[in-house]
Amino acid sequence: GESVGLHLPTLSVQEGDNSIINCAYSNSASDYFIWYKQESGKGPQFIIDIRSNMDKRQGQRVTVLLNKTVKHLSLQIAATQPGDSAVYFCAENWLGANSKLTFGKGITLSVRP
Amino acid sequence: DGGITQSPKYLFRKEGQNVTLSCEQNLNHDAMYWYRQDPGQGLRLIYCSQIVNDFQKGDIAEGYSVSREKKESFPLTVTSAQKNPTAFYLCASSEGTSTGQFFGPGTRLTVL
Repeated sequence: GESVGLHLPTLSVQEGDNSIINCAYSNSASDYFIWYKQESGKGPQFIIDIRSNMDKRQGQRVTVLLNKTVKHLSLQIAATQPGDSAVYFCAENWLGANSKLTFGKGITLSVRP
Repeated sequence: DGGITQSPKYLFRKEGQNVTLSCEQNLNHDAMYWYRQDPGQGLRLIYCSQIVNDFQKGDIAEGYSVSREKKESFPLTVTSAQKNPTAFYLCASSEGTSTGQFFGPGTRLTVL
């Protein structure tokens, strides 16, 4: 079946460095993607989204890149801060009957001071 | 403030008891969802509702029930038929089914 997954379970970065979190998706019909951040004991927080008619979208300190050719999604965080430490996961959706959001398992980002 | 609220934050239940988790949103969203999150696993959909008085089973609906009598409210009942109910439960809402979902703070249910 179709699935959304992440390449690495954990990522450790130095404070101030840039972070890149990757996600692979397998449903070629997916046309909408979201990155979420989840801190321990809290609900997921919407970070940024992108539709399939775009290949890049920027927010505040974050950039999402979409490569439809290889079905790859990435989240870049500039100047990573201790407050960025959390679990990040991607989600995909596709238009059509009974469309629903499918979530990846998540990757833990740990920021070293 | 606009947002999604869930209550209570922590809930303890004895085996064999039903329990209802509350979810309220004032974002005027049509669609609402309930997910279950277990350690090391992704979110799994329990139920979703696209409009008032309508809802659909998700991937793991067995042992759960919902109602959607009002647009802003989507309570989830965990019944005694749910074999492994201890988990973190998340409610979400969205304008439609093809837009981003926004989550509440979650309810951690523990069965004693």
